[in-house]
Amino acid sequence: DAKTTQPPSMDCAEGRAANLPCNHSTISGNEYVYWYRQIHSQGPQYIIHGLKNNETNEMASLIITEDRKSSTLILPHATLRDTAVYYCIVRDNFGNEKLTFGTGTRLTIIP
Amino acid sequence: NAGVMQNPRHLVRRRGQEARLRCSPMKGHSHVYWYRQLPEEGLKFMVYLQKENIIDESGMPKERFSAEFPKEGPSILRIQQVVRGDSAAYFCASSPSQMMDTQYFGPGTRLTVL
Repeated sequence: DAKTTQPPSMDCAEGRAANLPCNHSTISGNEYVYWYRQIHSQGPQYIIHGLKNNETNEMASLIITEDRKSSTLILPHATLRDTAVYYCIVRDNFGNEKLTFGTGTRLTIIP
Repeated sequence: NAGVMQNPRHLVRRRGQEARLRCSPMKGHSHVYWYRQLPEEGLKFMVYLQKENIIDESGMPKERFSAEFPKEGPSILRIQQVVRGDSAAYFCASSPSQMMDTQYFGPGTRLTVL
């Protein structure tokens, strides 16, 4: 079972920042937070991951709370092509290689 | 650097036939993972392989499904005697040799069983 909780759906206006929350209150010290997205039944696309520090790359920023029980994925300037299902995944680093996908958040960017 | 490749992209089989799905990992990647996505559902892990070894098959159905990743060539997911419930999108992902490396996904194979 997924160890994360996400809202089932969100809307965001085009050009605005999209902030996608994820709750992972049972996360343990050796577990990372990963974000993937799936655009219209394509293969999942890796976005970003982090352990405890905030992370930023060319696609997004990941903000992890100090207690690590929740995180937020930020798409700074959402475009229509960002419409997708976004998955927040907790994954440990002790040999458990598989990704456990939950139901994700269906993000719709509104023109 | 080409991404993960899967073929065929679409596969139609009649009940009782065999389905073979192929996955070529990214160059330099020696770890392969298969996931299945049933209609209107999330992705579910099936199996994790390294070259010539099955590491974790905890998500594989006990019967009719098998996977291999030979020393040479692509990884193969084989489904024998397909049934309508096998209709799904099958995704392959690959990662480099180090533990905890990011998995990169292919475009998937959509299997339809008539």
